[in-house]
Amino acid sequence: AQSVAQPEDQVNVAEGNPLTVKCTYSVSGNPYLFWYVQYPNRGLQFLLKYITGDNLVKGSYGFEAEFNKSQTSFHLKKPSALVSDSALYFCAVRDIGASGYSTLTFGKGTMLLVSP
Amino acid sequence: NAGVTQTPKFRVLKTGQSMTLLCAQDMNHEYMYWYRQDPGMGLRLIHYSVGEGTTAKGEVPDGYNVSRLKKQNFLLGLESAAPSQTSVYFCASTDRAGSGGSNEQFFGPGTRLTVL
Repeated sequence: AQSVAQPEDQVNVAEGNPLTVKCTYSVSGNPYLFWYVQYPNRGLQFLLKYITGDNLVKGSYGFEAEFNKSQTSFHLKKPSALVSDSALYFCAVRDIGASGYSTLTFGKGTMLLVSP
Repeated sequence: NAGVTQTPKFRVLKTGQSMTLLCAQDMNHEYMYWYRQDPGMGLRLIHYSVGEGTTAKGEVPDGYNVSRLKKQNFLLGLESAAPSQTSVYFCASTDRAGSGGSNEQFFGPGTRLTVL
């Protein structure tokens, strides 16, 4: 089965500084990778995905992610953090079952706290 | 479009009681999912459906049943609630879970369930 790992429970960064939220993956075959964000008391919102092509993927709200095949990583980045970016971030990988239909497997999540 | 909606938003049950959570989507998506979110464990897939009249087990299906009688609705049932089922439940849908599809999912706002 496919899996992702988010090694940090929490990331703290000051507003205006660059941020990185880490994700590593374990898959057989080519990975389909995602980042989602969850604001307090809300559902998950899609940020970006990597399927194929350019290793640097751009998404919503100024976020981007870098796919690195040799390091099996898909880290989420933003050049300048905002206080409003404070939220819970999830990395996910597509998993295909025996039926041929796919599901998503999520990491445990990383809380991002941006201080003023 | 309302997207994915969930009813109710909050519920408190006593051990042994039953209830049904309703998920509705107005995007004509074929595929629907039920997850539970617990602190430090991320999102775990309970059951999913690849079309009207179909259901399949996910990672943590025990104690839950589901039905997909109409394409736009996906119901999650707890026949005899237990304190271990205290959680936040999320529904999601996509039209991209078939062969080659990316499975980018759209999430509802969640239902917070407490079992005493």
